[in-house]
Amino acid sequence: QAVVTQEPSLTVSPGGTVTLTCGSSAGVVTSGHLPYWFQQRPGQAPRTLIYETFNKHSWVPARFSGSFLGGKVALTLSGAQLEDEADYYCLLHYGGDWVFGGGTKLTVL
Amino acid sequence: QVQLVQSGAEVKHPGASVMVSCKASGYIFSDYYIHWVRQAPGQGLEWLGWINLNDGAPRYAQKFQGRVTMTGDRSISTTSMELSGLRSDDTAVYYCTRGSGTVVPAPAARFNPWGQGTLVTVSS
Repeated sequence: QAVVTQEPSLTVSPGGTVTLTCGSSAGVVTSGHLPYWFQQRPGQAPRTLIYETFNKHSWVPARFSGSFLGGKVALTLSGAQLEDEADYYCLLHYGGDWVFGGGTKLTVL
Repeated sequence: QVQLVQSGAEVKHPGASVMVSCKASGYIFSDYYIHWVRQAPGQGLEWLGWINLNDGAPRYAQKFQGRVTMTGDRSISTTSMELSGLRSDDTAVYYCTRGSGTVVPAPAARFNPWGQGTLVTVSS
């Protein structure tokens, strides 16, 4: 089974920009991996932010965006707010199975 | 609105089995898959598998094959996940979440919404 890797932790200043990445031990991440991004605040269930690399749900602020970056998939937060402090998980699809990344703890400080 | 409501917390002894249920509302039950995901205390998310509620076919993560069983009951719009041979490291919050369409792909519906989670504690 492939291993999906994320930065364990990142810090961003309020109003700043940060990019979280999601890579695969199996090689380059492509649209075929149907990348998803989730946000999880303490004590809450995960919430989907981005589906299939770029697409955002209606509840997702415009400051979040998805893209490909250097063989990985990325989640960029432009203009961070204190409320964006949370854990972020990516999820990739491998031929019927799904594998989560280990998550990135984002601190807004 | 679309909603998934899970059964309550469970405490089990090692070696026992646990069943967690997930009742769907606000959409046609058989038109979508359901995925199960768990999260051990202080840890990340882990995918257990999915079930196609149109034909009842499941797919399990290799790690859980032989220990997990996912079923669905269309008459009550409820899907269940049973995990057997419980160990202390199975202690986790278990989530159900809607998958894509069973007949027509629905990527926006996949992993949206999530149930509230069910804490399963395995302890002697």
